[in-house]
Amino acid sequence: ETGVTQTPRHLVMGMTNKKSLKCEQHLGHNAMYWYKQSAKKPLELMFVYNFKEQTENNSVPSRFSPECPNSSHLFLHLHTLQPEDSALYLCASSQDRGLAGGEQYFGPGTRLTVT
Amino acid sequence: AQSVTQLDSQVPVFEEAPVELRCNYSSSVSVYLFWYVQYPNQGLQLLLKYLSGSTLVKGINGFEAEFNKSQTSFHLRKPSVHISDTAEYFCAVFSSGGSYIPTFGRGTSLIVHP
Repeated sequence: ETGVTQTPRHLVMGMTNKKSLKCEQHLGHNAMYWYKQSAKKPLELMFVYNFKEQTENNSVPSRFSPECPNSSHLFLHLHTLQPEDSALYLCASSQDRGLAGGEQYFGPGTRLTVT
Repeated sequence: AQSVTQLDSQVPVFEEAPVELRCNYSSSVSVYLFWYVQYPNQGLQLLLKYLSGSTLVKGINGFEAEFNKSQTSFHLRKPSVHISDTAEYFCAVFSSGGSYIPTFGRGTSLIVHP
């Protein structure tokens, strides 16, 4: 595997379910990001991790819970979601959080549908 | 604070015609600018970046962009587009001395017609 991978690619879940999204980067980067992409809206930054430490939480509801066990893996745990949470969830990585943070490498995304 | 405005939500163009996708930014400090492309059912991919030096930067797939500090713009251009260039294009600004988080524009949908 190369680059940034995300699983699953598609997920349909009910409002009472618990599921997790997984992201893995094979680039040796130290910073990882979760973004939410909804139709007709700008890309929304959700969380940032640098060297496994969370450095940004962009006022994300607690029904989204991130986990970063090491610099290569990032998870997004989901529970009791709302229909408006349906979106494409993108994971990205960058060399670090400094000037290199603008050059990000994205995974293909997980298309989430909440029913 | 930094912000990005992509002036066109959609740009239709015929194959082999030139195209320009517009991006304006605002920031109180030095900026770094990026263009990303998103093909259907894929994540974003870096097209090109301006960090310093020459204001004309060249990227992948024949795209180029020009940084204009006085007009606070970073427009993306290609002299001759292909059907395969049909995609969503995002401009992003990144400021030094801040939180080192890029701000993305809303995106411009480039639609290339045969």
